[in-house]
Amino acid sequence: SQQGEEDPQALSIQEGENATMNCSYKTSINNLQWYRQNSGRGLVHLILIRSNEREKHSGRLRVTLDTSKKSSSLLITASRAADTASYFCAPSGAPGSSNTGKLIFGQGTTLQVKP
Amino acid sequence: EPEVTQTPSHQVTQMGQEVILRCVPISNHLYFYWYRQILGQKVEFLVSFYNNEISEKSEIFDDQFSVERPDGSNFTLKIRSTKLEDSAMYFCASSLERTDSNQPQHFGDGTRLSIL
Repeated sequence: SQQGEEDPQALSIQEGENATMNCSYKTSINNLQWYRQNSGRGLVHLILIRSNEREKHSGRLRVTLDTSKKSSSLLITASRAADTASYFCAPSGAPGSSNTGKLIFGQGTTLQVKP
Repeated sequence: EPEVTQTPSHQVTQMGQEVILRCVPISNHLYFYWYRQILGQKVEFLVSFYNNEISEKSEIFDDQFSVERPDGSNFTLKIRSTKLEDSAMYFCASSLERTDSNQPQHFGDGTRLSIL
């Protein structure tokens, strides 16, 4: 596995606005996952997008993947105060690579949604 | 929905003492992991475990650390002689298949370990 780099480091928006976070990575992947961490809690898996997919939706979440640019974005629409958390991307290496399934997390994007 | 459970939620231990952190992964999962997060820092990989043996371990996972799956349900992390710098949140995770096989990891809520 490899580490993804999230951008921006911090994002502050008003409730109801959309939030977009970006992730870049370096080498080829089999999939890319997004996780959320509320303060003091464990990581919650949000969505997994495979390398042959370009876009995926889950409720208010939309994830895009551009393997040519080695980047992904997470869009949260109509944000709520409860979306306040840190968000992490985790690229997972291609099969055949020396990969035991570990995830490598970056610093994440800290999202604050103000009521 | 099935979940990963960790006990205790908070453990306070004197430096030099042994500590065992416990995890019950999701029942049909085959891959197990421990991560830790020092306050204000990134979540760091410690070890992965499959088929009753360690698949990979990080530099952090030195001889003071060990993992065990003593029965069909529990997965434990033992720190033999704790140091002040072991103070952190420790997260257990499990997955049905390896992550590169398009299976997510499911995390517990963690054990906060405080070394005095």
